[in-house]
Amino acid sequence: GQNIDQPTEMTATEGAIVQINCTYQTSGFNGLFWYQQHAGEAPTFLSYNVLDGLEEKGRFSSFLSRSKGYSYLLLKELQMKDSASYLCAHTGGGNKLTFGTGTQLKVEL
Amino acid sequence: DTGVSQNPRHKITKRGQNVTFRCDPISEHNRLYWYRQTLGQGPEFLTYFQNEAQLEKSRLLSDRFSAERPKGSFSTLEIQRTEQGDSAMYLCASSLTFQYFGPGTRLLVL
Repeated sequence: GQNIDQPTEMTATEGAIVQINCTYQTSGFNGLFWYQQHAGEAPTFLSYNVLDGLEEKGRFSSFLSRSKGYSYLLLKELQMKDSASYLCAHTGGGNKLTFGTGTQLKVEL
Repeated sequence: DTGVSQNPRHKITKRGQNVTFRCDPISEHNRLYWYRQTLGQGPEFLTYFQNEAQLEKSRLLSDRFSAERPKGSFSTLEIQRTEQGDSAMYLCASSLTFQYFGPGTRLLVL
């Protein structure tokens, strides 16, 4: 995405914790989304932040700082099946999602 | 399975041919979106419907592309005179609040 930055690749160990960062610039803002996408499959909705702070959902948590244009996705107790691309996206004041290029996470034994 | 279905799942066509894809959203969702995704990139917005009204179109949607949602339920995306650069995954999503994606149609233009 033109105004969303996230690392291209990350590698982590099974059972560990990994944090995937995302920075964004947008004139309007309706929320920050994280999607998971396995190879050859459609993106799956993971989390949504519209207010600053941490949203926790099981092994996945997402954080937002609107003033800094910054979000992260935290994955705990990593499993091999968590190997996927993680997409950060925002709705810049409208309804359409603007996505980053995604972070390819590889979970190793 | 999110409840959004797309057909066909795969399409191979020759350059210059027309193709049409269908999306069936989750039944109570009034908003429907089309995105395109190429390898190593995130999905890119193409167009958006609220009920049967097409409310927004991306500059990516050239005049060879047309989308309809005639009764506010299913939607079709047609590409005329396909080009090799149209090869991509075409994703449909529907929403009341959060967008849920269908499995996509993978198009290969030879």
